[in-house]
Amino acid sequence: SQQGEEDPQALSIQEGENATMNCSYKTSINNLQWYRQNSGRGLVHLILIRSNEREKHSGRLRVTLDTSKKSSSLLITASRAADTASYFCATAMNTGFQKLVFGTGTRLLVSP
Amino acid sequence: EAQVTQNPRYLITVTGKKLTVTCSQNMNHEYMSWYRQDPGLGLRQIYYSMNVEVTDKGDVPEGYKVSRKEKRNFPLILESPSPNQTSLYFCASGTGNTYEQYFGPGTRLTVT
Repeated sequence: SQQGEEDPQALSIQEGENATMNCSYKTSINNLQWYRQNSGRGLVHLILIRSNEREKHSGRLRVTLDTSKKSSSLLITASRAADTASYFCATAMNTGFQKLVFGTGTRLLVSP
Repeated sequence: EAQVTQNPRYLITVTGKKLTVTCSQNMNHEYMSWYRQDPGLGLRQIYYSMNVEVTDKGDVPEGYKVSRKEKRNFPLILESPSPNQTSLYFCASGTGNTYEQYFGPGTRLTVT
């Protein structure tokens, strides 16, 4: 069952610009996570935001969570070519175990 | 180095020929999971395991089997592969203390 839907599906920007990706989900959650995937490789965890948090920062990443709208956004500031990847949101339910449900991802291309 | 390893990384096989994809983690994680990734569908969970000898179906378990005899290993078994199981497969592990998951590098399977 698909929980998260990312928007846009693809995003193309220049180095130095900010990149914003959005994620919407359907049911109540324990937390929401963002992962990065370089082409054909394994996913790498970026940041986790709990349902009682509204905003979180990690380096050039800023994540917001609006549980009333069931949506989250990931902002990457001052993008670099190395940020080129696919980004996925994943939601963890209040089920007492670690079941993550992933969205379909946003493909980000950062051009030098 | 903390990691999840998968073998093989690439596999081309024929319909009906049983195969096993191995997954091993060295982080003493209780939770392990298998996902498949297909274009436009994101990651979908196949099976997961909460601990040794405890496994359960994910969202797309048909045609797959798993076992968890040791904490570090979680092999994925395709008893009679079919072309619709051609996909990119990821193993992941996590601990009960956090919801973050660590992913292996992926296994690209082609069934002809």
